[in-house]
Amino acid sequence: NAGVTQTPKFRVLKTGQSMTLLCAQDMNHEYMYWYRQDPGMGLRLIHYSVGEGTTAKGEVPDGYNVSRLKKQNFLLGLESAAPSQTSVYFCASRSTGHPQHFGDGTRLSIL
Amino acid sequence: AQSVTQPDIHITVSEGASLELRCNYSYGATPYLFWYVQSPGQGLQLLLKYFSGDTLVQGIKGFEAEFKRSQSSFNLRKPSVHWSDAAEYFCAVGADDYKLSFGAGTTVTVRA
Repeated sequence: NAGVTQTPKFRVLKTGQSMTLLCAQDMNHEYMYWYRQDPGMGLRLIHYSVGEGTTAKGEVPDGYNVSRLKKQNFLLGLESAAPSQTSVYFCASRSTGHPQHFGDGTRLSIL
Repeated sequence: AQSVTQPDIHITVSEGASLELRCNYSYGATPYLFWYVQSPGQGLQLLLKYFSGDTLVQGIKGFEAEFKRSQSSFNLRKPSVHWSDAAEYFCAVGADDYKLSFGAGTTVTVRA
């Protein structure tokens, strides 16, 4: 009964380092999403995917890349981390006609 | 473009009192509307959704929301608040749940 699992849950990076956040869902959902949550700004969509092998830009895509090589996984990459990318990152997935299911988030600090 | 405004950043309510959270949206057609709740350190949990039909929607945990097209609003209500309702609440709007736009959130504090 895992649902949407995000790895890692916490991470501290130095400016310029790279890392990949992993989102895995076991519900066979077609759509997957990456959001960032910042105080007073709600959730903002970074990138999303409508199916395996497809990705698209959301509202705030700059500085991030994504890949969806397998239907159940959606990876979010930071090639050169910047302090402005300090945030809480949420992954979500859904199937057609149903609401989004969210993971518990990844708290990322960039020093 | 779609957008959501939650006018109240923070609301404090006494346990047992009623609660109403405001949500105003901007969208060109009939929207899909959602309310999510987030407890500290947790992800978002869906409370209720409106796609079409009856404008009064019932959700989990005793919450309900009413869609008012003329006012572009989708306010969330609960008749009697419990201490466990202390959380952050987000309203969201989308074309078909494809891509959602979220409001900035309203933090609810419940006092004994």
